[in-house]
Amino acid sequence: DQQVKQNSPSLSVQEGRISILNCDYTNSMFDYFLWYKKYPAEGPTFLISISSIKDKNEDGRFTVFLNKSAKHLSLHIVPSQPGDSAVYFCAARYGGATNKLIFGTGTLLAVQP
Amino acid sequence: NAGVMQNPRHLVRRRGQEARLRCSPMKGHSHVYWYRQLPEEGLKFMVYLQKENIIDESGMPKERFSAEFPKEGPSILRIQQVVRGDSAAYFCASSPPLLAGGPNYYNEQFFGPGTRLTVL
Repeated sequence: DQQVKQNSPSLSVQEGRISILNCDYTNSMFDYFLWYKKYPAEGPTFLISISSIKDKNEDGRFTVFLNKSAKHLSLHIVPSQPGDSAVYFCAARYGGATNKLIFGTGTLLAVQP
Repeated sequence: NAGVMQNPRHLVRRRGQEARLRCSPMKGHSHVYWYRQLPEEGLKFMVYLQKENIIDESGMPKERFSAEFPKEGPSILRIQQVVRGDSAAYFCASSPPLLAGGPNYYNEQFFGPGTRLTVL
């Protein structure tokens, strides 16, 4: 039962253009959503997050949008840079006493120079 | 401030042996989480621990797997009688104590570099 889904396994974008990574979820109990970036042979690195009571959060070149009615979130990277090439994981947190995260399967972003 | 440390980085075991994976959280962090990443999949939550206490083990397989976070020393994920299906990358994360809950507050989890377990 995949509660957090990233339907695009890969995405290729030209340097300087916008990268849009998408994520869908099924559980209404999630109260926080996060994006992590991961390079090979390294652990995930936190990128940006959004609370379920917000619809947008921006941090420099990164913006996350949340559409609760559609149970959909997206990460926008503008402008994209070659150093952004990595696997991006969407994750959601259950509300309540646990801080556990449910991850999607990841999207491999390749930014072409 | 050193990050989350995991050792070993690579571990090879034969079927039936035991695997012990260690995680030292960041300084000041008292909460530890273990996740497993199977090939071509995302990270899957296994267990959430505080010092000397298991908070949530809903993702742990019922048999052969155990975890602890003692008062002193690193957190240990132990896999007994390993099988080939246990081959995966195991990631540990740590966070400071949860001061509050709800959608207004998130306690960031910082991940270690992972231990890649290969079962022959």
